[in-house]
Parts: sequence; C-alpha cells; structure tokens
Amino acid sequence: GAGVSQSPSNKVTEKGKDVELRCDPISGHTALYWYRQSLGQGLEFLIYFQGNSAPDKSGLPSDRFSAERTGGSVSTLTIQRTQQEDSAVYLCASSTAWIGKNIQYFGAGTRLSVL
Amino acid sequence: GNSVTQMEGPVTLSEEAFLTINCTYTATGYPSLFWYVQYPGEGLQLLLKATKADDKGSNKGFEATYRKETTSFHLEKGSVQVSDSAVYFCALSGDGGSQGNLIFGKGTKLSVKP
Repeated sequence: GAGVSQSPSNKVTEKGKDVELRCDPISGHTALYWYRQSLGQGLEFLIYFQGNSAPDKSGLPSDRFSAERTGGSVSTLTIQRTQQEDSAVYLCASSTAWIGKNIQYFGAGTRLSVL
Repeated sequence: GNSVTQMEGPVTLSEEAFLTINCTYTATGYPSLFWYVQYPGEGLQLLLKATKADDKGSNKGFEATYRKETTSFHLEKGSVQVSDSAVYFCALSGDGGSQGNLIFGKGTKLSVKP
C-alpha cells in the first residue's frame, strides 16, 4: 500500500475486555515496530518484528500484551484484560530492514480508550 | 542504556522568529539521530536524519547537525511559519546494524503565532 495502515483508528472498550489492533505495513518492508504514545510516558517502544520473528519482547509492558505477524506482512497487537492504564495511542511503523539508520514510516495510530 | 533528552516546552514564537529545540543523547557507539514531527491530528513523519558524526540533516528549512563531541542534535530553523506548529520529537536508533528500534525524547510542542 501507499503507507502504513492501522485499524481501527479509535477503539473504546471496557476494563477487562480483550482488544486487537491491526497494522498493515508498507509493501516489501521486512521490519515492523509497535510503539505506544501516552501523556505520562511519551513514546515507548514495545516490540519489533524482522519478518515473522520477534526476537525481543522485553519492551512489552506486561504479559497481557502479545503480538504476532504472519506472512511477513500484517501484524496484530493483542491486549488481554485491558486496564485503564492501557489507554494510549498505539503506533505501528515499518522499515526496509531492522537497521538503525533506516527510516521508519509510521501509521496514524489507534487511539485506545479503556473505560 | 540509550536515552534522549530534549527541551519539553511548550515553545511559543512569532512568525519569522528563529527556532532552536535542544536535544542531547546518551548512547554507546555511533547511533543514528532523527527528528520526527507530528502535526495536529496527523501521524509521526520523519523531518530529517543524520547517521554519522558531523552529518547535517536538513528539510523544509530545518537543520540539525550530529555533534558527537557534545552528544547533541539540536533542531534549528531561521524563520518559522504558522504551518510549523506541531510537536517535534528527537530520536535515536542503535549503532550500525543493530538496535533498529527508536528511542524518543518527550517531545516539544511548538506554537507559531501570526
């Protein structure tokens, strides 16, 4: 596609429910990243994929968070048993490879509100 | 670990004023440095980057020079416009072929008044 696409753009959920956030990266980009943007914490790195593999999950805030990527393309970030502190904008980015100097292209984000 | 510190603002300037947003970093080796911008209601966009010491990144009248001796990457623009109103983020990523994820500063909100 023309850019990184994320869906939904907004999600309102009740505390304790599970949510799935989707990211469709730029075609051909092998590296995919998830970040979280919140007022208190700024922009935090969550997890990255190189192809379908996520070598480092240490950025995920708790074991309620998980992510997968299939076919080297679309990725989903799942948050189980949502809490109010999970409210944030979740950003996805992609780049041609997981190399520091490569440019990351960001999607518009999913704004998650947990009531 | 690696980190980025930038002035948090908010910064309010009149149109045509000179802009400086300070950014310093802590990192091992030779990180790549970036400025991203987030316009109201939009996603993050790359503004400029520099991948080695003494490189100058530039775009849309903005400039930043990678200074390893002072571990800095300050953003400057000689004459700001109302359309430059946005939040600016300084970021770094790791050395060479490793650590591709970005570490961001807290962001600086810039408002330019006509």
